[in-house]
Amino acid sequence: EADIYQTPRYLVIGTGKKITLECSQTMGHDKMYWYQQDPGMELHLIHYSYGVNSTEKGDLSSESTVSRIRTEHFPLTLESARPSHTSQYLCATRGGSTDTQYFGPGTRLTVL
Amino acid sequence: GNSVTQMEGPVTLSEEAFLTINCTYTATGYPSLFWYVQYPGEGLQLLLKATKADDKGSNKGFEATYRKETTSFHLEKGSVQVSDSAVYFCALIYPYRDDKIIFGKGTRLHILP
Repeated sequence: EADIYQTPRYLVIGTGKKITLECSQTMGHDKMYWYQQDPGMELHLIHYSYGVNSTEKGDLSSESTVSRIRTEHFPLTLESARPSHTSQYLCATRGGSTDTQYFGPGTRLTVL
Repeated sequence: GNSVTQMEGPVTLSEEAFLTINCTYTATGYPSLFWYVQYPGEGLQLLLKATKADDKGSNKGFEATYRKETTSFHLEKGSVQVSDSAVYFCALIYPYRDDKIIFGKGTRLHILP
């Protein structure tokens, strides 16, 4: 089972602040993903990476950016947070040609 | 394109009732099929999966059978417990391609004591 860590678990910040949501994994998985989950539960893929120095935008347009300079880390950054960014953010990984995707516990972000 | 459709919730049942959550998919070939569960305040966890037609995935009393002829992967449990209250997601992926996993919209399940 994959170990995926997300910090912080909960964050309340004011509009205009820059924030970085951390995601790290210990399984050496090459593929990593960020999802935004709305209150209606639906998952929206916002970024993904197939390995170091690889990043792609997902299906849902997002004002966030990501980086992948190490296999273990896939941080997500919001340069200027807005109330519309209030949501749950889930990080996930998948290794090689395996089919199972593993999820972190999530970060619940509230922007006032 | 590929897609997953699951029954809308919320689904509310009494403890020990029989559960079915319907899931159908649109895809070519033979994707792997999954059910994930999300308990309150947590991320998603793999509940069960099936990788080829007629396979049955099972875990924690839940089961689902990969039905190629009806393109379905319905989740069932014979006797639900209050602790089964969660959101359930049906999903598919082609494991040997760099495709992204496709999730249904989720079904919230409430079990009453």
